[in-house]
Amino acid sequence: DVVMTQTPVSLSVSLGGQVSISCRSSQSLVHNNGNTYLSWYLQKPGQSPQLLIYKVSNRFSGISDRFSGSGSGTDFTLKISRVEPDDLGVYYCGQGTQYRTFGGGTKLELK
Amino acid sequence: EVQLVETGGGLVQPGRSLKLSCVASGFTFNNYWMSWTRQAPGKGLEWVASITNSGGSTYYPDSVKGRFTISRDNAQNTLYLQMNSLRSEDTATYYCTRDYPGITPFDYWGQGVMVTVSS
Repeated sequence: DVVMTQTPVSLSVSLGGQVSISCRSSQSLVHNNGNTYLSWYLQKPGQSPQLLIYKVSNRFSGISDRFSGSGSGTDFTLKISRVEPDDLGVYYCGQGTQYRTFGGGTKLELK
Repeated sequence: EVQLVETGGGLVQPGRSLKLSCVASGFTFNNYWMSWTRQAPGKGLEWVASITNSGGSTYYPDSVKGRFTISRDNAQNTLYLQMNSLRSEDTATYYCTRDYPGITPFDYWGQGVMVTVSS
C-alpha cells in the first residue's frame, strides 16, 4: 500500500502570509502511463473536501492562482500565497496512482 | 452543475448491514468512475471503494474488502455501497465522489451521510 505522509500536522499563518505543506509517498507516484496522480484537497470547517490541485501542479476549475503545487516522484509541496480567511481548514494530499490513499492532513490556522 | 446526493445513513448495530445510495446529476454518469470515501469523527480521509464507469471492475482497501460492495446503476445515475458485518470502526461520514478518468480521483464530492455503528 502507498503511505502518504504530510508535514506539518498544523500550521499557523498570518493573513497575507505564505505557507508550504509537504507530502511524501512511500513509493513513486509515477503511473505506468507517465502521469503522476498526486492531488491536494481542502476541507473547510463543516464542509466536504474540495479538489484544489491535480496531477501535481494543475489547478482545478475556479481555484485561485495563489495555490500552487510542485514536486515529483515521492516528494510534493503545496504552496499558498497571500493567505486569506477562506483558506483556513485542513489540507490533504491524495494519490490515485496505485488505488487511492490520503495523507493525514495539515490544519491551517490563523496566527 | 455536478451534484452528488447521498442517502441511507443512520444508526445500525454491530454486525448488521446498511446500504448507501448516491444520486448523481449534472454530468454523464456512465463516463466516470465513482468512489466512496469516509471520514471518522475528528479524523482524516479514508478511501473505501471505487468502481469503473461500466461497473465491470471494483476496488477496495483491505479494511473493507469482503464486507463492503460498491455497485452502480447507470440507467438511474445512482451509485451504491452495501455495507455488511458493520463494526464500530466503520462509524464515519461517507462521501460519494467522482473520479475523472486519467486526470484525478475525487474531483467532486457529495455532502456526506453519517453512519453510526453502535449497540
